[in-house]
Amino acid sequence: SQQGEEDPQALSIQEGENATMNCSYKTSINNLQWYRQNSGRGLVHLILIRSNEREKHSGRLRVTLDTSKKSSSLLITASRAADTASYFCATDASSNSGYALNFGKGTSLLVTP
Amino acid sequence: DVKVTQSSRYLVKRTGEKVFLECVQDMDHENMFWYRQDPGLGLRLIYFSYDVKMKEKGDIPEGYSVSREKKERFSLILESASTNQTSMYLCASSPDRSVSTDTQYFGPGTRLTVL
Repeated sequence: SQQGEEDPQALSIQEGENATMNCSYKTSINNLQWYRQNSGRGLVHLILIRSNEREKHSGRLRVTLDTSKKSSSLLITASRAADTASYFCATDASSNSGYALNFGKGTSLLVTP
Repeated sequence: DVKVTQSSRYLVKRTGEKVFLECVQDMDHENMFWYRQDPGLGLRLIYFSYDVKMKEKGDIPEGYSVSREKKERFSLILESASTNQTSMYLCASSPDRSVSTDTQYFGPGTRLTVL
């Protein structure tokens, strides 16, 4: 069962601008992850934030988590054309066996030069 | 670096054929997963395995089966391919069940077309 829902579905910005994507989920989680997928390729893990963390940084990425609102955001600062990809949030919904992740449908980001 | 490989990038099969999709990981991971990805539907879990010869159904197991005879290899089998199984198939692996190592590592995907 899919739990994460990304918003917006699509985002178009220019190089140098910041891109913000949001993810909402429904049940309690242990952690939330963000993945990137370049066109026609597999997913690549970007960052993991645990349920007891509120913010995490990795390079130009900043992730926030608000467990009271069951939401997370991914901010990409100073975007580049190479950031063009689809971005997915994934949660380890505690209702299942604990091994699998539930992925959202993704946000498609286009960064134009 | 963890490497997950899939046997084919592109595959074209005919309705009714038996199809095998192979996935191999080289990092001694316990868990392996098969997803399918369709436009507007995102990633949906078909099956996963947390140990050799162990398997669990995901959200959409109908029409599929899996095999994990060796730790590094996880096969997805379409017993009788149908056109609605045309999709991108993604294999992934993860180290173990620990919360701190839930990251999944994905293969490049197999785009299957069933005619």
